[in-house]
Formats: sequence, C-alpha cells, structure tokens
Amino acid sequence: EVQLLESGGGLVQPGGSLRLSCAASGFTFSRYGISWVRQAPGKGLEWVSAISGSGDTYYTDSVKGRFTISRDNSNNMLYLQMSSLRPEDTALYYCARDLLPSGSYLYWGQGTLVTVSS
Amino acid sequence: DIQMTQSPSSLSASVGDRVTITCRASQNIDKFLSWYQQKPGKAPKLLIYTASSLQSGVPSRFSGSGSGTDFTLTISSLQPDDFATYYCQQSYSLHYSFGQGTRLGIK
Repeated sequence: EVQLLESGGGLVQPGGSLRLSCAASGFTFSRYGISWVRQAPGKGLEWVSAISGSGDTYYTDSVKGRFTISRDNSNNMLYLQMSSLRPEDTALYYCARDLLPSGSYLYWGQGTLVTVSS
Repeated sequence: DIQMTQSPSSLSASVGDRVTITCRASQNIDKFLSWYQQKPGKAPKLLIYTASSLQSGVPSRFSGSGSGTDFTLTISSLQPDDFATYYCQQSYSLHYSFGQGTRLGIK
C-alpha cells in the first residue's frame, strides 16, 4: 500500500525557515517524481515544487530562490526546505506522487500545516 | 506558465442532475489534464487522468473529454456523495498547475 506521511509543519515568524519532510512507503521511491502541493486556508490547490526520480527540480515562481526540494532515495524521504517565509506561504502542504506517465497525482499525504505569522 | 481557468466557480444542483464543469488552458496541453474531487478536510482524490481515462474505482457517472485547450468533466447523474469541490490540473509543462476550483453545492 502506497503511503505518504508529511511532517515538520508549525508556526514560524515571517522571514523564518522551516523544513518539511515526507516519508514514503509501498513503492519503489526512486522511480517516481514527487511534488509538493499547498492549499491556503479556504483556498484552492497550488502546485509548489516537484523533483523527478533522477533529481531534476522545478518550482513555481513565487517560491523560486526561497524553497529547495530534495530527496533521499536510500531512505525514501522527500524534503522541502523553506526560507524567507512570508504570510502568504501559510497553507496545508501536501506531498503527492505522480501516476506515470500522465503526471496525475494518484497518491497524496494527509498534509502538514505551515503558519507564517508574528 | 500555463494558466488553467475553470467555469463556473460554483454551482448548485440537485441529486440526479447532469452537471458539466469546464476547464480551459492558456495554451495547448494535448491531453495532459486531470480532474480531482476534494471534500472538506481531505486530500484531493484523482477522478480522471489524460483527459478522459477513468481512475480505477471511480464511478462511471464521472467522465472527462477534451484535448488541446478545452476540457470538460461531466457527472451524468449527481449523487449525494458528489457534492464537493472539483479541480483540473495540467501536467503538460514541467511546472504543473491547477484550476481555481469549482464548488458543487446542493440546490
């Protein structure tokens, strides 16, 4: 059974940093692209970042230069290092796995909440 | 980046109604279009991938169509469990993007 379990969310002040983690199980981790998708309270889904199985990385413009996605294929872990956080980064952050080759997200975690506030 | 625009943003319908939601891409995305259903407090659920392929386990009353820039999600006969928010998503470019969502409520 495929499982994705996010952790690391919390309350952080504007300008602060936070690292999110996503523990994956139930599939060959290195074969799949994994993404971070966020949802601000009461708002829609926003694609944030993705990393391919081989390590190529992609970011939405609003987080480029502030967020870094990475993966540890030996431990089946995905990370999102977030710095220079802004109030508009407040959201529930999901990790999601591709359904190859369509790029659809079949598997999602339960999300971890990041709140940026003073 | 590719912009995805859904219409309507919200609609009200009754059990048994046929409902259609539209998604338009700002440029050609071939058939790299997915549809999701999300209920409050839950992660999104994949309904349709590659524009018209029904994900395993999803009821056949859901269907998708379209290619290029214009896509539709149709629910042939609304059931009580279908009242939720629906999102489209493109995976044509390496920077994926979602529509703003369509909230489907009970009339």
